[in-house]
Amino acid sequence: KNEVEQSPQNLTAQEGEFITINCSYSVGISALHWLQQHPGGGIVSLFMLSSGKKKHGRLIATINIQEKHSSLHITASHPRDSAVYICAVSGGDSWGKLQFGAGTQVVVTP
Amino acid sequence: DVKVTQSSRYLVKRTGEKVFLECVQDMDHENMFWYRQDPGLGLRLIYFSYDVKMKEKGDIPEGYSVSREKKERFSLILESASTNQTSMYLCASRGQGADIQYFGAGTRLSVL
Repeated sequence: KNEVEQSPQNLTAQEGEFITINCSYSVGISALHWLQQHPGGGIVSLFMLSSGKKKHGRLIATINIQEKHSSLHITASHPRDSAVYICAVSGGDSWGKLQFGAGTQVVVTP
Repeated sequence: DVKVTQSSRYLVKRTGEKVFLECVQDMDHENMFWYRQDPGLGLRLIYFSYDVKMKEKGDIPEGYSVSREKKERFSLILESASTNQTSMYLCASRGQGADIQYFGAGTRLSVL
């Protein structure tokens, strides 16, 4: 069983809709990361959270440490938001190793 | 700007061939990582390195080896490629004590 679980696996939304992706983890963590992977492969870091909430443009990430749960929200979704969104956790080791969820494929249609 | 460069975007190899995947970073990072990414499984760590000539096994090291002779370069070696090593391979680097990893664009390897 993966220690980082994401849902849903796939998501299709119409442009302008509000999107939520969920991530649950079962291990102790020092931080949780949300990453974005566009078609073609490259992965970029969106957020790193250890508590509370962060916002960047139309993206909002929240984390509840007690419940071991995080959500990534996309407000006013746009076709350029179509990508795979990946949740990852770091356990605080000195090398920064990450454990990854399987990813959520998001497609936003015009 | 941060840059992690993987030598090939696409590779096609035959079963039994020795395959080298190269990764170069220009940020003087101590830590470098090799992952493979498969549908439904996400990214899994193959090997990582925390310094020149130092390496540690990740979660799925079988069938792979690595080399780090210079700080900026981390190579993944498939000693004898097999069809179950067909996958997307991603390299990443991270500075010591830094928060995030920086990823290369990935190499899609097909082993026939």
